[in-house]
Amino acid sequence: QQQVKQSPQSLIVQKGGISIINCAYENTAFDYFPWYQQFPGKGPALLIAIRPDVSEKKEGRFTISFNKSAKQFSLHIMDSQPGDSATYFCAASRIYNTDKLIFGTGTRLQVFP
Amino acid sequence: EPEVTQTPSHQVTQMGQEVILRCVPISNHLYFYWYRQILGQKVEFLVSFYNNEISEKSEIFDDQFSVERPDGSNFTLKIRSTKLEDSAMYFCASSEYETQYFGPGTRLLVL
Repeated sequence: QQQVKQSPQSLIVQKGGISIINCAYENTAFDYFPWYQQFPGKGPALLIAIRPDVSEKKEGRFTISFNKSAKQFSLHIMDSQPGDSATYFCAASRIYNTDKLIFGTGTRLQVFP
Repeated sequence: EPEVTQTPSHQVTQMGQEVILRCVPISNHLYFYWYRQILGQKVEFLVSFYNNEISEKSEIFDDQFSVERPDGSNFTLKIRSTKLEDSAMYFCASSEYETQYFGPGTRLLVL
């Protein structure tokens, strides 16, 4: 019940296209859902996060869509750029007591010019 | 912009040796974490630390592991007797509220 499932494992998108990564969770106690971006040899960096009281959050080209009833959330990257090529991890946690992050398995995104 | 720092960036050790991985969290943060990432796999939680004690630890965090905040700035992870399967990237993270900020990691290789 602590798992976060992420798909696809890898994604190839052309420059200017839309990248979509999906995650699903089971634990209804989760109430904080961040996305992290990781470049090779670097630590995960927070990209965008959402709480379940909203269904969508947008920051620049990055949008999280959240479906509480389906226990699913997704990351959309609009106008994908070669610089977006990285591994993306979704995660989930409980805000109370700043709980540990449970990470998805990661999606390796490659954006070709 | 404040950031989490970690030293060393790389560590090679022999099986059975002790290693200490060091982290300097962001200065006003109160919650500290260690995670690890085996090559090509997901990031896994090891331990969380608050108010000078362990808040939670995972099954991975067995008796070979310990954490310490020896002074007001450093946060350390000690592995007493390293095993081959401890080879991984170890990330320190800190938070003030729900957002966790990660350091660049220490790549540990156990031979």
